[in-house]
Amino acid sequence: DAGITQSPRHKVTETGTPVTLRCHQTENHRYMYWYRQDPGHGLRLIHYSYGVKDTDKGEVSDGYSVSRSKTEDFLLTLESATSSQTSVYFCAIRITEGNSPLHFGNGTRLTVT
Amino acid sequence: GEDVEQSLFLSVREGDSSVINCTYTDSSSTYLYWYKQEPGAGLQLLTYIFSNMDMKQDQRLTVLLNKKDKHLSLRIADTQTGDSAIYFCAEGGDTGRRALTFGSGTRLQVQP
Repeated sequence: DAGITQSPRHKVTETGTPVTLRCHQTENHRYMYWYRQDPGHGLRLIHYSYGVKDTDKGEVSDGYSVSRSKTEDFLLTLESATSSQTSVYFCAIRITEGNSPLHFGNGTRLTVT
Repeated sequence: GEDVEQSLFLSVREGDSSVINCTYTDSSSTYLYWYKQEPGAGLQLLTYIFSNMDMKQDQRLTVLLNKKDKHLSLRIADTQTGDSAIYFCAEGGDTGRRALTFGSGTRLQVQP
């Protein structure tokens, strides 16, 4: 267990509303990532973070922002949700420096109506 | 950019071997990974192989890497119904900053 908690686990929201998803880790790992999973696309990287206040964009970052004010929390915000953002969102962490696998949370299923 | 491709579906009978294939484009990939996802769950790391290896075996799992053709395969021996899941291939470089690039996943269906 990599000590990753995602919240909420499920959310339904309306188009145009802001939504924030939270990823919390218990062991002060430096690298954290947000992915979205959609049928036929696998997992696609949205944003990632190398540490507090140090973030970068992934391949599908449009419409998303992130913040990392504490090592343990990585927040993903949809400023104005759209139906195309209906997806399952996964947070991941890298446990060791250098090359190592990512470890994933259990995901947040977001539905935008 | 990097690209990872997998076939979408594989059906096998219980007890048979399953072989899931993956191709990737980034020749600088240092590690290649296999993840398993069961319904409603996150991704679970199954195994990974360093790019200077040709093969890695771990109990029922065998990973083969053909670096020249950029082809990776996962063989599951004596496939069980509990192996039914989606399997993702992923590639990653040698720095911690670099995220993994995933394939679209192969759904393995094991028939009794």
